[in-house]
Amino acid sequence: DIQMTQSPSALSASIGDRVTITCRASQAIRRDLAWYQQKLGKAPKRLISAASSLQSAVPSRFSGSGSGTEFTLTISSLQPEDFATYYCLQHNSYPYTFGQGTKLEI
Amino acid sequence: QVQLEESGPGLVKPSQTLSLTCTVSGASITSGGYYCSWIRQHPGKGLEWIGHIYYSGNTYYNPSLKSRAAISIDTSENQFSLRLNSVTAADTAVYYCARAPHYVSSGYTDAFDIWGQGTMVTVSS
Repeated sequence: DIQMTQSPSALSASIGDRVTITCRASQAIRRDLAWYQQKLGKAPKRLISAASSLQSAVPSRFSGSGSGTEFTLTISSLQPEDFATYYCLQHNSYPYTFGQGTKLEI
Repeated sequence: QVQLEESGPGLVKPSQTLSLTCTVSGASITSGGYYCSWIRQHPGKGLEWIGHIYYSGNTYYNPSLKSRAAISIDTSENQFSLRLNSVTAADTAVYYCARAPHYVSSGYTDAFDIWGQGTMVTVSS
C-alpha cells in the first residue's frame, strides 16, 4: 500500500494567515492526488484534484502543488470558514489511501 | 445535479452482516463514466477507502477488509450496495458512498468528486 504522510496533524492559525499543509507519498504517484476539506459532521468536499486543479466554486485562496511524492496545499489568506480538517488522497494505486488529516484551528 | 444518499440500519450486531445502499439521483449508473465507491470514517478518525465498482461489474476492494466486503449494483433501482460480513466493533464508523469519475478512453480514474452525506453504523449487541 502507498502510505500518505500528512503534516502537520494540527495547526493553529489566525484569520489572514498563510498556511501550508504537506502530504508525502511513500512512492511516486505522478499527480494523482486530491485535497479535501471536511467540516464537523459533514462529508469531505473536494478542493483540488490532479494535485493542482482547483474545483469550480472553490475560492482562489486555495492552491495545490507537487508531483511524484511531495505535495502541498496552501491557503493564502485564512478566512473563518476555512477552519476544518483537511485530507489528501492518493488514487494512483489500489488501495486508495488518505493522509491522516490536518486539523486547522483558530 | 447528481446526488448520492446512503441508507441502511444504524445498528448491527457483532458477527452479522452490515448492508448499506447508496441511491444515485440525477444520473444513471449505467451511463458509465464513474466508479461507485464506499469510504468509511471511524469516530474521530481519518478516512478509509473500502472499494468501488463500475457499472460493467469491475470491482476493487481494500485488502485490509480481508475479503469481508462485497459491492454490487442494482441498475433497475439506480443504486449500489455494500455488504460487510462478520462485523465487529472495529467496523463502527460513518459510511460514505461517493463517485469517482472514470475516463474510459484513457483508463484514468479521478478522485471522488461527489459524496453522500454519510450514515453512522454502530456494531453492538
